[in-house]
Amino acid sequence: GENVEQHPSTLSVQEGDSAVIKCTYSDSASNYFPWYKQELGKGPQLIIDIRSNVGEKKDQRIAVTLNKTAKHFSLHITETQPEDSAVYFCAALGGNDMRFGAGTRLTVKP
Amino acid sequence: ETGVTQTPRHLVMGMTNKKSLKCEQHLGHNAMYWYKQSAKKPLELMFVYNFKEQTENNSVPSRFSPECPNSSHLFLHLHTLQPEDSALYLCASSSQLGTSVIYNEQFFGPGTRLTVL
Repeated sequence: GENVEQHPSTLSVQEGDSAVIKCTYSDSASNYFPWYKQELGKGPQLIIDIRSNVGEKKDQRIAVTLNKTAKHFSLHITETQPEDSAVYFCAALGGNDMRFGAGTRLTVKP
Repeated sequence: ETGVTQTPRHLVMGMTNKKSLKCEQHLGHNAMYWYKQSAKKPLELMFVYNFKEQTENNSVPSRFSPECPNSSHLFLHLHTLQPEDSALYLCASSSQLGTSVIYNEQFFGPGTRLTVL
């Protein structure tokens, strides 16, 4: 089955800096890679996703890149703001089996 | 609001109690999921239902019993739990299970914070 590794587990940046979170996956058949943001007291919410036929996707300050050969994908947040502080999860979907990373706690200091 | 609601939001129970968690989705989806979220661990998939039929049970102990009476509602019945079962229990839904990824984008509820004493 799929195994997803996520790094770092915690990340602290200054407001305005960029943040990068990286994930690797094991199943080469995985074809969908969502990223979720979980704020305190809430469930995870999808913020961006990428499919295996695309190498990069951008939505305002958030971008995701996918390297299928190396089986890794990354979340990039530019011009970080305090409201970006949350736990971020990556996931990989192979067939019907969605596997999640352990999460990254991002803190943006004002 | 994601269109997925869960009740109660918080639950404290003793090891001998019986309680149920409820999930309801208002998105017209046909697949529903239960996940367990423990600190510093990946989300653990517990159960999957597709069109009211259970399609996956990830070796979950029998003290957790799911029920899916229709595509909009999902329950998790709890009995004789252990303190290590304390966690955030998340419900999610998606359009349906299938080979196309458009069916599998999952929407999560806010979770039930369960504490077992």
